[in-house]
Amino acid sequence: AQSVTQPDIHITVSEGASLELRCNYSYGATPYLFWYVQSPGQGLQLLLKYFSGDTLVQGIKGFEAEFKRSQSSFNLRKPSVHWSDAAEYFCAVGPPDSSYKLIFGSGTRLLVRP
Amino acid sequence: ETGVTQSPTHLIKTRGQQVTLRCSSQSGHNTVSWYQQALGQGPQFIFQYYREEENGRGNFPPRFSGLQFPNYSSELNVNALELDDSALYLCASTRRGYSGLDSYNEQFFGPGTRLTVL
Repeated sequence: AQSVTQPDIHITVSEGASLELRCNYSYGATPYLFWYVQSPGQGLQLLLKYFSGDTLVQGIKGFEAEFKRSQSSFNLRKPSVHWSDAAEYFCAVGPPDSSYKLIFGSGTRLLVRP
Repeated sequence: ETGVTQSPTHLIKTRGQQVTLRCSSQSGHNTVSWYQQALGQGPQFIFQYYREEENGRGNFPPRFSGLQFPNYSSELNVNALELDDSALYLCASTRRGYSGLDSYNEQFFGPGTRLTVL
């Protein structure tokens, strides 16, 4: 079955510290991979996506993610977290045809300590 | 600003009623998808419409139906509402983007409609 697992429900980091949010997926073929951010009461904003090529992808707001095929993972990282990064983060996978029929993980809520 | 709007922002219905949620996107957005996001969960794919035809459906019963119109607007209809239908409903529209000689699809989410079923 196709699924996305985000094992961390909550993560708390201090402002200025580094961040890594984990994402593992189960999919028949190599899917397209996405990270979205959702602030309270807001819709989803795309941070970055991986379709093919370089397995380290850069996104907006200083985020990056690395695709590791052998581990079926697509972890999100940021070297220095800002208080404004506090939000819910969702990993998603979709079929490799850019149709965007996405399967989302259950999300990781990021809290930032001042 | 994604250019995707949804109405209403909030809605309260009672069990057994019917509801219509609306989504409007910009010219050139040929595909629209609808997602249900229950509290504390990630969004779940309901269905997708391309050029006014259903183009894929998730694990949702037939009482969830949709329409897409030529003016880039769409509707999600839910009949016989159940308490578990309480959720944030997101629409996402897709347009073709271009970068040099490459083309790709870009998807934009609306802010959602919060539906509460009592």
